Amino acid sequence: GAGVSQSPSNKVTEKGKDVELRCDPISGHTALYWYRQSLGQGLEFLIYFQGNSAPDKSGLPSDRFSAERTGGSVSTLTIQRTQQEDSAVYLCASSLPGVGGYTFGSGTRLTVV
Amino acid sequence: GEDVEQSLFLSVREGDSSVINCTYTDSSSTYLYWYKQEPGAGLQLLTYIFSNMDMKQDQRLTVLLNKKDKHLSLRIADTQTGDSAIYFCAPRPGANNLFFGTGTRLTVIP
Repeated sequence: GAGVSQSPSNKVTEKGKDVELRCDPISGHTALYWYRQSLGQGLEFLIYFQGNSAPDKSGLPSDRFSAERTGGSVSTLTIQRTQQEDSAVYLCASSLPGVGGYTFGSGTRLTVV
Repeated sequence: GEDVEQSLFLSVREGDSSVINCTYTDSSSTYLYWYKQEPGAGLQLLTYIFSNMDMKQDQRLTVLLNKKDKHLSLRIADTQTGDSAIYFCAPRPGANNLFFGTGTRLTVIP
């Protein structure tokens, strides 16, 4: 597509429930990134996929968080047993390898009540 | 990882110049980016500079890089109300992921 698409744009869930957030990157972009932005905070790196390489999961805050990227394209970020501190905007970005910057989606605002 | 620091807030009057500063720790950062985030939106790439450059100008934007001090700045000339947003500095060490600062919230006063 023309840009990075994320869905849903907003998600309200009850504490303890699982959620799935979706990211559809720009066609042909081999790299895909997930970041989290909490209120008043900067961007916190979560996970990075590059082509067929093993993902860099070093930013995932706990084992409740996981992500997949199927067929080198669409990615799903899953948060199990959500907690209130998981409330944030989850941003996805994609890029070509090399010098170019990232193209970001508009994010999914997750609210855990 | 890399530590990136920015001032949290900056207010300027419309028509004045804005200067947003950033310091970083990883001297191997080869590309350094500036992103803009408007309310409720994702991040938009504004400009970037290679580490072998000292300055880059792009219309109203001027990026200055001091590699010795690991200091990056973004100057916006003739600041407009539409420039009000959060600006993120993002160095990129090698081929690794970008590291973002906390962002500087720029408020333009009419």
